[in-house]
Amino acid sequence: SQTIHQWPATLVQPVGSPLSLECTVEGTSNPNLYWYRQAAGRGLQLLFYSVGIGQISSEVPQNLSASRPQDRQFILSSKKLLLSDSGFYLCAWRGAGGREETQYFGPGTRLLVL
Amino acid sequence: GENVEQHPSTLSVQEGDSAVIKCTYSDSASNYFPWYKQELGKGPQLIIDIRSNVGEKKDQRIAVTLNKTAKHFSLHITETQPEDSAVYFCAASFFRGFKTIFGAGTRLFVKA
Repeated sequence: SQTIHQWPATLVQPVGSPLSLECTVEGTSNPNLYWYRQAAGRGLQLLFYSVGIGQISSEVPQNLSASRPQDRQFILSSKKLLLSDSGFYLCAWRGAGGREETQYFGPGTRLLVL
Repeated sequence: GENVEQHPSTLSVQEGDSAVIKCTYSDSASNYFPWYKQELGKGPQLIIDIRSNVGEKKDQRIAVTLNKTAKHFSLHITETQPEDSAVYFCAASFFRGFKTIFGAGTRLFVKA
């Protein structure tokens, strides 16, 4: 069966510091991968998605970036965090090429920027 | 672009009552409609889904209905329990599409 991992679970960072959040998926190959951000009490904002290694599509211009160095690894980064970057970050996967319609979410990383 | 509207944003019911959450979608190409439940501090979990060739689907106390002509679908929870309290998201996507479009969410409170 497929499993999705995110770490760290919680992170407190000062403004201006760098960020690296990692997501890995097990039990599937060539998945579509997604990064979402969720502000407190709000909905899901799609930040990036990837259909393959090195292929990243950005949905919202901001100081965040994403990379996919391996098939089942998705990384969210920032060189300098802003207060507004605080939130709950969710990674998700979906089977590529239409073989799986459902999107599955990871446990999330709660980021607090002070 | 594609859009999914979800109502209400907040719903409070008494334990044992029914809860209904409604969504409308804009893209007529959408053919898959999942519902997710998100508990506090956790990632959303799929609870039920429906495909466009089906009008209704049930799983114990949960049911989903789809009206393709009107482009709306609903989640029905019967005999609600306190553990049903959570945020519920509806969503729409289409076969071989890259993105799933989510509604804004409904916060359900079930009062004991």
